[in-house]
Amino acid sequence: QVQLVQSGAEVRKPGASVKVSCKASGFTFTSHAFFWMRQAPGQRPEWMGWINAGTGNTKYSQTSQGRVTITRDTSASTVYLDLSSLKFEDTAVYYCARDRIVGPTLFDSWGQGTLVTVSS
Amino acid sequence: SYVLTQPPSVSVAPGQTARITCGGNRIGRKSVHWYQQRPGLAPMLVVYDDSDRPSGIPERFSGSNSGNTATLTINSVEAGDEADYFCQVWDSNWEPCVVFGGGTTLTVL
Repeated sequence: QVQLVQSGAEVRKPGASVKVSCKASGFTFTSHAFFWMRQAPGQRPEWMGWINAGTGNTKYSQTSQGRVTITRDTSASTVYLDLSSLKFEDTAVYYCARDRIVGPTLFDSWGQGTLVTVSS
Repeated sequence: SYVLTQPPSVSVAPGQTARITCGGNRIGRKSVHWYQQRPGLAPMLVVYDDSDRPSGIPERFSGSNSGNTATLTINSVEAGDEADYFCQVWDSNWEPCVVFGGGTTLTVL
């Protein structure tokens, strides 16, 4: 079955970097785009960027530009989120999500989420 | 940026019908998707393209979209439906191009 499995919780100090992974299984990895989103407690999900797993093309939100890098490893069917220069306000649950192949973007499968805590 | 507005909370008794709205400028011209998020879990798609249901989602969940309002309707509400619900649209003309509503907490009395 379709599955996205993310790496475990992380704790970092302000100014550090964190890398979160998302391993896909149960479908053709390169046929989809994958989005990274984050969600602070009590808030709506916030889109950070996406990667076309087939071409490697990426797009980042304006708020993420410069601190976020999204990559993929097709041999491992895994996408990665790199977030640098961490701030206290980056504390959130980070989700990867799969976009459908055709049609306006929607998220038909989500990872279980990775809690990233920024604390001194 | 494009803004989606949802009521913060909706409360219904078991067996009744819950209606959750999502307001946006000419939202009827866009495809609206709805997600259910139970506490501590990732969001899950329950309605897409205004009114379609993914496989495995009960027929009790339905959607509509017209004018400036999209609506998620849950018939015969059960205790297990208690969750946060988010609407979402995509528009490549906007930044951010992925837009979520603020979310509605459904409480089953």
